[in-house]
Amino acid sequence: SQQGEEDPQALSIQEGENATMNCSYKTSINNLQWYRQNSGRGLVHLILIRSNEREKHSGRLRVTLDTSKKSSSLLITASRAADTASYFCATDALGYSTLTFGKGTMLLVSP
Amino acid sequence: DAGVIQSPRHEVTEMGQEVTLRCKPISGHNSLFWYRQTMMRGLELLIYFNNNVPIDDSGMPEDRFSAKMPNASFSTLKIQPSEPRDSAVYFCASSLVAGGSYSETQYFGPGTRLLVL
Repeated sequence: SQQGEEDPQALSIQEGENATMNCSYKTSINNLQWYRQNSGRGLVHLILIRSNEREKHSGRLRVTLDTSKKSSSLLITASRAADTASYFCATDALGYSTLTFGKGTMLLVSP
Repeated sequence: DAGVIQSPRHEVTEMGQEVTLRCKPISGHNSLFWYRQTMMRGLELLIYFNNNVPIDDSGMPEDRFSAKMPNASFSTLKIQPSEPRDSAVYFCASSLVAGGSYSETQYFGPGTRLLVL
């Protein structure tokens, strides 16, 4: 089964609204990463948060990590149509030697 | 800066044919990863290399799949013979790994969309 699972599977919002996606995982981790994938393209790294960090910002992105709940959230503020993409979380779980990816959240931002 | 380069971008072939996918990692990166992405199974890690040496190929689905990395700037993923269920998008990613941790940021290529008829 997937180590990381994103929720919701799909999200539809209007431009200017905030979008929040969640990721839950099963085992202890060293870091958690978020990636974006535009349709027909490769994944692009957005942000990495380490297990000893609780929150991290990058532009309009805010990531939180709660290791006690084994969960993370990605907040995109003031969304734009260009934010339409799939968003994946990736973790380096104990027992895995490299990253494992979730199945992603599909975000649709309508003008 | 050139990112990860993959070729071809699209491949349509008939069942039973040999398929070779190619990847050029980012210069200076020492690790390379091959993934397969389908709607049903999501993104699956097939194999990864460090310093041109295969580290873990447990994700390779069958003996029909093989991968090589003859030098630091080139890798191939070969499917022989190909089957319709191999249809997917295949991604190559590279990373700069230090201290034995393969969990740092990965940089993905644009992918090869493979259709086996």
